[in-house]
Amino acid sequence: GEDVEQSLFLSVREGDSSVINCTYTDSSSTYLYWYKQEPGAGLQLLTYIFSNMDMKQDQRLTVLLNKKDKHLSLRIADTQTGDSAIYFCAERGPGFQKLVFGTGTRLLVSP
Amino acid sequence: EAQVTQNPRYLITVTGKKLTVTCSQNMNHEYMSWYRQDPGLGLRQIYYSMNVEVTDKGDVPEGYKVSRKEKRNFPLILESPSPNQTSLYFCASSPLAGSGGELFFGEGSRLTVL
Repeated sequence: GEDVEQSLFLSVREGDSSVINCTYTDSSSTYLYWYKQEPGAGLQLLTYIFSNMDMKQDQRLTVLLNKKDKHLSLRIADTQTGDSAIYFCAERGPGFQKLVFGTGTRLLVSP
Repeated sequence: EAQVTQNPRYLITVTGKKLTVTCSQNMNHEYMSWYRQDPGLGLRQIYYSMNVEVTDKGDVPEGYKVSRKEKRNFPLILESPSPNQTSLYFCASSPLAGSGGELFFGEGSRLTVL
């Protein structure tokens, strides 16, 4: 079955770049997503990438997709304390039924 | 305002006492889904619905029921809650077309079963 893995924690200093990594197993994935969860809140979509793309940039966010290695990364440039949150990687297969989430990476940004 | 609304946000109950967590969306989305979030396990799908009167099991459906009688509502029913259902629950909805299939989440319902 599908499986999505992430490291659990990442700590960076304000102003540095953060890179959050994700690996997945389903080679038939169509879309891959990054969601952000702030304390006490639901998940919000940050960005997504279609599986035939290698890279997508959106302001401070850069998503890189390596389909051969089934590896997805999210780079946050000039990380701010407001970026502290849990970041979830997720993949969607060819059907619409299921979005499989990773375990989430807790990003802590220190001043 | 476009949103997914869950109630209650917090609930403490006892083993065996039936409860319902309501979910309502005002975006006319066809797709709705329930997830539970547990430490170290991420989000796991409980049930989903592709449209009215169409529901199906996710990865962890045991101990839960759902119904989809109207497009906007998708309640989650725990007929006989047990302590292993203590968790943070999220309802989400999505249009079936466009926007890359983005899921819109409610703010979560934290359930404790004693």
